[in-house]
Amino acid sequence: AQSVTQLGSHVSVSEGALVLLRCNYSSSVPPYLFWYVQYPNQGLQLLLKYTSAATLVKGINGFEAEFKKSETSFHLTKPSAHMSDAAEYFCAVSDQGSGNTGKLIFGQGTTLQVKP
Amino acid sequence: GAVVSQHPSWVICKSGTSVKIECRSLDFQATTMFWYRQFPKQSLMLMATSNEGSKATYEQGVEKDKFLINHASLTLSTLTVTSAHPEDSSFYICSAALRQANSPLHFGNGTRLTVT
Repeated sequence: AQSVTQLGSHVSVSEGALVLLRCNYSSSVPPYLFWYVQYPNQGLQLLLKYTSAATLVKGINGFEAEFKKSETSFHLTKPSAHMSDAAEYFCAVSDQGSGNTGKLIFGQGTTLQVKP
Repeated sequence: GAVVSQHPSWVICKSGTSVKIECRSLDFQATTMFWYRQFPKQSLMLMATSNEGSKATYEQGVEKDKFLINHASLTLSTLTVTSAHPEDSSFYICSAALRQANSPLHFGNGTRLTVT
């Protein structure tokens, strides 16, 4: 069975500061890993995904994440936070056997607050 | 890019009535659609996987007779909440997968259901 754990349900940073959202996964098979962002009362938007190619993945809006197999982690970072980054962020895992069309298992979510 | 349209965006209904939510892939064919439920400040819980032309696969604990899913075409899946109760009030989100391999899921904007 696969699972995802996001450490920290709430993260608060100042505008311009580094953003670090933590995600650890558990999977018995090589995983596909994703980060999604959700704004209030909206669906999810894909930020980036890892599909066994480069371990450092660059996404939209300046976000990136690094897959570390030894640490079973896929933390999301952004060098400088913007006010518009305030949202809910979800890490998700899908097994490679089902490819990207397989179902996703989501973490609990992390609320990012950006202070002026 | 690929767009998934979900309708309605919000609905209020009385206890005992049924509500239908539509999920459409606007510019691509989706062989598989997924229905998620999200409680306030919580993660997305997969309810069922909907494959075009076949019966939906429900996750453990999801009542298939209460949450009717139909995927009659490659661009439309519907979720009907039958005999709704206040505890069914939630945010329902659909996602759709393109037919090509290595394609990410695309999410609708969700439907806020309130049962009074």
